[in-house]
Amino acid sequence: EPEVTQTPSHQVTQMGQEVILRCVPISNHLYFYWYRQILGQKVEFLVSFYNNEISEKSEIFDDQFSVERPDGSNFTLKIRSTKLEDSAMYFCASSRDGFREGYTFGSGTRLTVV
Amino acid sequence: QKEVEQNSGPLSVPEGAIASLNCTYSDRGSQSFFWYRQYSGKSPELIMSIYSNGDKEDGRFTAQLNKASQYVSLLIRDSQPSDSATYLCAVNTAGGFKTIFGAGTRLFVKA
Repeated sequence: EPEVTQTPSHQVTQMGQEVILRCVPISNHLYFYWYRQILGQKVEFLVSFYNNEISEKSEIFDDQFSVERPDGSNFTLKIRSTKLEDSAMYFCASSRDGFREGYTFGSGTRLTVV
Repeated sequence: QKEVEQNSGPLSVPEGAIASLNCTYSDRGSQSFFWYRQYSGKSPELIMSIYSNGDKEDGRFTAQLNKASQYVSLLIRDSQPSDSATYLCAVNTAGGFKTIFGAGTRLFVKA
C-alpha cells in the first residue's frame, strides 16, 4: 500500500535554531498538507500546497514557516527560528483529489524545542 | 472561526456492542466529511468519507450525514478491543483546500 514517508521521526533542536522537516508524498497525489498536533490537543491545519504554490494557510503559519517542493518527490516544512511552543508532532499528508478522497498521513516528526 | 465539535469521551462499550460517535460542524458550505482513527502516538488513519445526506456503510462502519442539521455520525458495529482509539471527525471546508479536525472522541472497547 502506498505511503507518505516523513523524516526524521524525532528531532530535538535548540530554541532559535532552524529546522527542516521532510516528507515524500504518495507519487500520484497532487495535494499536500502539513498539520501539527501538540501533545493532548487536536490535529491543527498549517498549510495546503497545490500546483507548486500555497493554496491556503492558517493563522499559525506565520513568517517563521515556509514550505517547498524542491523536486518531484520531496515536500518540506521549514521553521526558521524555533520557539518552545513549536514543540509538537508534525504530520505531512497528501491527497489525490484534495476534496472527496481524504488524506493519507505520514507517521509524523516529533519536534522537541529545548 | 470554522469549528468541528465532538464529545471528548471517553466512550466505553462492551465487546460486540455498537459504538456511536457524533460530530457537529459550523461551516454550512462544507461538502466532504471524514472519520479518521488515531491510535495513541500514531498518525490519523482514514476510515470513511461521506458527502451525500444519508448513510454510507463499509464493513462494520456506517457513517451518517445530515447537512441540514450540520451533523455527522459514525456507528461501529460488533466493536472489538482493537477498535479502542481516538476517532476524529474531519470536515473539508467550503473552498476545498483544507480539512479541519475535531478534538476527537476516545473510545474504549472492553473485552
